[in-house]
Amino acid sequence: EPEVTQTPSHQVTQMGQEVILRCVPISNHLYFYWYRQILGQKVEFLVSFYNNEISEKSEIFDDQFSVERPDGSNFTLKIRSTKLEDSAMYFCASRDLYEQYFGPGTRLTVT
Amino acid sequence: AQSVAQPEDQVNVAEGNPLTVKCTYSVSGNPYLFWYVQYPNRGLQFLLKYITGDNLVKGSYGFEAEFNKSQTSFHLKKPSALVSDSALYFCAVRKVGGSARQLTFGSGTQLTVLP
Repeated sequence: EPEVTQTPSHQVTQMGQEVILRCVPISNHLYFYWYRQILGQKVEFLVSFYNNEISEKSEIFDDQFSVERPDGSNFTLKIRSTKLEDSAMYFCASRDLYEQYFGPGTRLTVT
Repeated sequence: AQSVAQPEDQVNVAEGNPLTVKCTYSVSGNPYLFWYVQYPNRGLQFLLKYITGDNLVKGSYGFEAEFNKSQTSFHLKKPSALVSDSALYFCAVRKVGGSARQLTFGSGTQLTVLP
C-alpha cells in the first residue's frame, strides 16, 4: 500500500539554524500539506500546496517558513531561522479526492 | 471558520465494553468528517470518514462513527473495546468545496482500555 514518507524522523538543531524537513507524498496525489503538533497539543495546519504553489497557509506559516517541490517526488518544509517554539512534530500529508494520508512525522527539537 | 470540539481529554473503558469518543463540529455548509488515531511516537493513521450518504460509517479495526447533522456530531464508537485500541484519537473536519481544504483537528481524546 502506498504511503507518505518523511525524513529525518528526528532532527535536533540549534536556535537560529535553518532546517529542511523532507517528505515524499503518495505518487499520484496532487495536494500536499504540512501540519505541526506541539507536544501535548492539537494538530495544526501550516500550509497547503497545489500545482506548484501555496494554495493556503495559516497564521503560523510566517516568513520564516517556506515550502518547495524541487522535483517530481519530494516536498520540503524549510524553516530559515529556528526558534525554540518551533520544536514540534511536523507531519506531511498528501490527498486524493477526499482523504489526507499522513506521514509518520519528523520530530524537530530546537535547543 | 471551521472548528472541532472533543469534550473529553480522557476516556477510560474496560476491555470488552463498548466505547464512545465524542466529537462535535462547526462549519459553514456541509462537512467532510474524519477520525484519525495516533499511537505513541507515531503518525496519524486514518480510521474512517464521512463524505455523504449513510450516516453510519464503518472504518478500520471495527470502529464506526455516526454523523448527526442536527446535533453537528460525529461520535466514534466500537462495540467491544480492545486493550490495543488504547491511543490518542483525533476528530477532524473539512468544509465541502470552498477554498478551505485543510483539515481542522480537535484537541484529541486519549482512550485507555483497561484489561
